[in-house]
Amino acid sequence: DTGVSQNPRHKITKRGQNVTFRCDPISEHNRLYWYRQTLGQGPEFLTYFQNEAQLEKSRLLSDRFSAERPKGSFSTLEIQRTEQGDSAMYLCASSLGGSGQGYTFGSGTRLTVV
Amino acid sequence: AQTVTQSQPEMSVQEAETVTLSCTYDTSESDYYLFWYKQPPSRQMILVIRQEAYKQQNATENRFSVNFQKAAKSFSLKISDSQLGDAAMYFCAYPEWGAQKLVFGQGTRLTINP
Repeated sequence: DTGVSQNPRHKITKRGQNVTFRCDPISEHNRLYWYRQTLGQGPEFLTYFQNEAQLEKSRLLSDRFSAERPKGSFSTLEIQRTEQGDSAMYLCASSLGGSGQGYTFGSGTRLTVV
Repeated sequence: AQTVTQSQPEMSVQEAETVTLSCTYDTSESDYYLFWYKQPPSRQMILVIRQEAYKQQNATENRFSVNFQKAAKSFSLKISDSQLGDAAMYFCAYPEWGAQKLVFGQGTRLTINP
């Protein structure tokens, strides 16, 4: 197991286009989290899954954002009709059980909307 | 709302010296965990150290230790014998009520001067 994997590492898109990111968590981890991080700031929670169930979504997650985790394995985060304000690092993390043990993070996907 | 505050946006230290990064948090819970994460430039976030609130003893991991003051809701990170590889953003994090997700502070950028 090589940890949490995120693809792509970088994505440049034109405003109005749709983008999709993928996260492959550590295989035995049942929880998967998506965070957004803007330059010089701490990560902000977007959503999390326990197995295939999406249990919580932040108010930051507008209706242009959707996340899935089919079969409780990998997850995708899609942003429709991208805006310049969506430019950020999108971080995926996974954990076994609750947050008590901390997360294992992926390297992130850096999105630039031009 | 539960918050995590890091009051030092930037810190610098001479190589081999000791530096302390501060963090305060707000919670009404009695049993919880606290975390420090390190994010080197353009690299993934990694867990540095974890503290369990019900333990009196401060956590230690090699050159990294914490000063946990539960009554004051303070959780500082001490880095001894600073090395060039310690240069990074450091984030304090706390699991929101119910341990469903981590809430991160704004971060402290640590520079190590050779």
